Amino acid sequence: DAGVTQSPTHLIKTRGQQVTLRCSPISGHKSVSWYQQVLGQGPQFIFQYYEKEERGRGNFPDRFSARQFPNYSSELNVNALLLGDSALYLCASSLPGQKTGNTIYFGEGSWLTVV
Amino acid sequence: AQKVTQAQTEISVVEKEDVTLDCVYETRDTTYYLFWYKQPPSGELVFLIRRNSFDEQNEISGRYSWNFQKSTSSFNFTITASQVVDSAVYFCALSEAGGTYKYIFGTGTRLKVLA
Repeated sequence: DAGVTQSPTHLIKTRGQQVTLRCSPISGHKSVSWYQQVLGQGPQFIFQYYEKEERGRGNFPDRFSARQFPNYSSELNVNALLLGDSALYLCASSLPGQKTGNTIYFGEGSWLTVV
Repeated sequence: AQKVTQAQTEISVVEKEDVTLDCVYETRDTTYYLFWYKQPPSGELVFLIRRNSFDEQNEISGRYSWNFQKSTSSFNFTITASQVVDSAVYFCALSEAGGTYKYIFGTGTRLKVLA
């Protein structure tokens, strides 16, 4: 079975531009979460979506937005890019339920460089 | 507030040595989950183990074992007979039980296994 897939894998943007990152969850998983990982740090929670509804939001500015589609795939949008947005953006999917114990499975991420 | 501390920034061991990665957490929740993830250079976070706060039984899975002690808020991870392929950054994470999948990650420990 395919794991979490993300696209693009690498991209370079200019300050002020907008970027859209895409994520397809593991088949059967209905929840998607987004994390930002700056070099040398642990991932930071951005959003969680379940059944197309936002279930959680981290401490990120309104320039960050996301949505989930009926097929459970998701997009993360970042507007007015800043140099500090350069990071690895990780998508994770999960199958809510007691047996899974909140376990989330990550994709390989999208490496964003803002110049 | 929830917090995860990984005091070891980098550890180097020679192949076949045992190595323990330390993790200390803070939370006010009575029910929570603890995780260890491995991040190789490719960037993908690979799920290794999960522990429920209400189950302090320590286990062994292959070359991996963990020591969960609620009294000291520690969740240490041991690799027995380390191999070069174990070289990666290891992250400890905390998640509250419930419908949100907001993980709090530590800053990671870089493990280098030398041949």
